[in-house]
Amino acid sequence: AQSVTQLDSQVPVFEEAPVELRCNYSSSVSVYLFWYVQYPNQGLQLLLKYLSGSTLVESINGFEAEFNKSQTSFHLRKPSVHISDTAEYFCAVSDGTDKLIFGTGTRLQVFP
Amino acid sequence: NAGVMQNPRHLVRRRGQEARLRCSPMKGHSHVYWYRQLPEEGLKFMVYLQKENIIDESGMPKERFSAEFPKEGPSILRIQQVVRGDSAAYFCASSPSGGGASYEQYFGPGTRLTVT
Repeated sequence: AQSVTQLDSQVPVFEEAPVELRCNYSSSVSVYLFWYVQYPNQGLQLLLKYLSGSTLVESINGFEAEFNKSQTSFHLRKPSVHISDTAEYFCAVSDGTDKLIFGTGTRLQVFP
Repeated sequence: NAGVMQNPRHLVRRRGQEARLRCSPMKGHSHVYWYRQLPEEGLKFMVYLQKENIIDESGMPKERFSAEFPKEGPSILRIQQVVRGDSAAYFCASSPSGGGASYEQYFGPGTRLTVT
């Protein structure tokens, strides 16, 4: 069975500092990987996804994630965070079927 | 193009009552997914529906929960005889097609159910 582990439940960081949110998955089949962001009292928005091809994927707002098959990881990074990045971030995996399997989320708190 | 709509946004029910949660997918989307988010947990898949068909209900509790997506109108998640443990945020997502990760799931704002 597939599973997703987000080891850090909370990550506090100062504005303009770099950040890494960790995500590890387990799966015996090819996977598709996603990062979603949830702002307070809102639904989830897709941040970026890995389906195939280049292992480094980027979002429009400066986040990037790298698929590492040997380490079964898909960590999310941003070189310089902004106050507006404060949100909950969810890593998810799909084996190509209908459902997404989510991690428990990481709450990123950016301080001025 | 309106996004995925869910209503109500907040729902309070007493134990034993019924809860009905509605989801209108994005225009042109015929696939709907329901997820539940318990406090301090990630989202858990419940059910996947196409128009008039339940495709995968492997995440649905065996009793009291049901879902439908009729030919006309929104998808409905129905919880009968609610208990305190049903208190959670229920999210609906839609996609233009299914069965493949290439089709992004677009999420609604969720319905927060509180059972008193």
